[in-house]
Amino acid sequence: QKEVEQNSGPLSVPEGAIASLNCTYSDRGSQSFFWYRQYSGKSPELIMFIYSNGDKEDGRFTAQLNKASQYVSLLIRDSQPSDSATYLCAVGPQRGGYNKLIFGAGTRLAVHP
Amino acid sequence: GAVVSQHPSRVICKSGTSVKIECRSLDFQATTMFWYRQFPKKSLMLMATSNEGSKATYEQGVEKDKFLINHASLTLSTLTVTSAHPEDSSFYICSAQSGVGETQYFGPGTRLLVL
Repeated sequence: QKEVEQNSGPLSVPEGAIASLNCTYSDRGSQSFFWYRQYSGKSPELIMFIYSNGDKEDGRFTAQLNKASQYVSLLIRDSQPSDSATYLCAVGPQRGGYNKLIFGAGTRLAVHP
Repeated sequence: GAVVSQHPSRVICKSGTSVKIECRSLDFQATTMFWYRQFPKKSLMLMATSNEGSKATYEQGVEKDKFLINHASLTLSTLTVTSAHPEDSSFYICSAQSGVGETQYFGPGTRLLVL
């Protein structure tokens, strides 16, 4: 059973702080990794994707991937109250594998003023 | 870019009726579209994967005769909930993908309430 694990939270951080969201996955052959943000009552929206080991930065967001440890994280710098949402980690298939994403249950982030 | 629309955004129907939900990729060709459902405070559950011009692949436990999926073109997939019952009330979300392993972009979702 391929799994993606996230801490359900809530993760509470003060405004301006760094929020660190973590995700582990079980399928060592996974090739693509995605972070989605979902506001309550809305559908997920893509924040970032990462394919290679290391860090990938986009504005206030940094995705980190460590395939050896089967670990992917998302850092949010200068957290804002508008960042309060559920963050979904999703893992894509290995080459030739069944084309679908495996989602974690999500981590709820609360940024308080 | 990468905009996916869904219609309707909200629907209320009587038990026993059928409801059709449309998913469109507006600015790219989607070789694959996915249908999910989500119950309150729960994670996304993949229902089925549809490739343009071929039959959908359903996840285990999802009744293919109840949830009919048609992916007639590279920009349109439809989900029909047949003979809907109150337990089918949920948030249905589609996503579209331009190629295998590519990013999935989600539609805004359709909230179905069956009375």
